[in-house]
Amino acid sequence: DGGITQSPKYLFRKEGQNVTLSCEQNLNHDAMYWYRQDPGQGLRLIYYSQIVNDFQKGDIAEGYSVSREKKESFPLTVTSAQKNPTAFYLCASSLTGTDSYGYTFGSGTRLTVV
Amino acid sequence: AQSVTQLDSQVPVFEEAPVELRCNYSSSVSVYLFWYVQYPNQGLQLLLKYLSGSTLVKGINGFEAEFNKSQTSFHLRKPSVHISDTAEYFCAVRPGGGKLIFGQGTELSVKP
Repeated sequence: DGGITQSPKYLFRKEGQNVTLSCEQNLNHDAMYWYRQDPGQGLRLIYYSQIVNDFQKGDIAEGYSVSREKKESFPLTVTSAQKNPTAFYLCASSLTGTDSYGYTFGSGTRLTVV
Repeated sequence: AQSVTQLDSQVPVFEEAPVELRCNYSSSVSVYLFWYVQYPNQGLQLLLKYLSGSTLVKGINGFEAEFNKSQTSFHLRKPSVHISDTAEYFCAVRPGGGKLIFGQGTELSVKP
C-alpha cells in the first residue's frame, strides 16, 4: 500500500545535539511538507518542497534544516539552534504543490529533549 | 491573507448525541475545503473534502459537512457520536494553487 513512513516514532535528544527525522513516501507525490505540533497550537509549517532539489522555509524554519535529494525522501534535521525542540513532528505529501487534493500524513515522530 | 477559524477549542458531548464542529474561513479566492481527524499520537487522516458541486459532503465514519459560500463556513456534523469519535479535528482550506491552511483544531470528547 502507498503511504508515508516516518521514523522513528519516538526520539530522545540531549541538549546540544542535532537529530534527523526520516520521512519517506511511495505515493509518487511531488510535494512534501514538515509540520510541528504543540498542544493547543495546531500545526505550524516548518519547511516544504514542491520538487526535488528545491525547498522553501515555512513559518517556523529557524533551528531546522531539510534536504530533498530524492523524490521519495524529505528528512528534517533539528539542530542545536532550535531552543525548544520537544514536540510532535508530522510529515505530509501532496500530488503537486498546487493540486486540489489534500495532504497525506505520516504517523508522526515525537521528539523529546532530555 | 487566508485564514481558518475553528470556533470551539473543545467540545464535550455525550455518546449518541449529535455534534457540530464549526469552521469559518476567510479567502478572496476559490478554495478547496477539508476536515481531518487526529487520534492521539497519530497523524492526520482525511475525513472529507469539498472541491465543487453539491454543498453537502459525506465522509468516513458517518461524518458530513456543509459548505456555505455566503457565510464562508464549512461545519462538520455527525448525528450520533460514539466513544471512538473522541479525537482532535482540524478544518483546512487550500486556496487555488496554494498550500493547506489549518485551523487550530477542536478536541471532541465523547463521554458515556
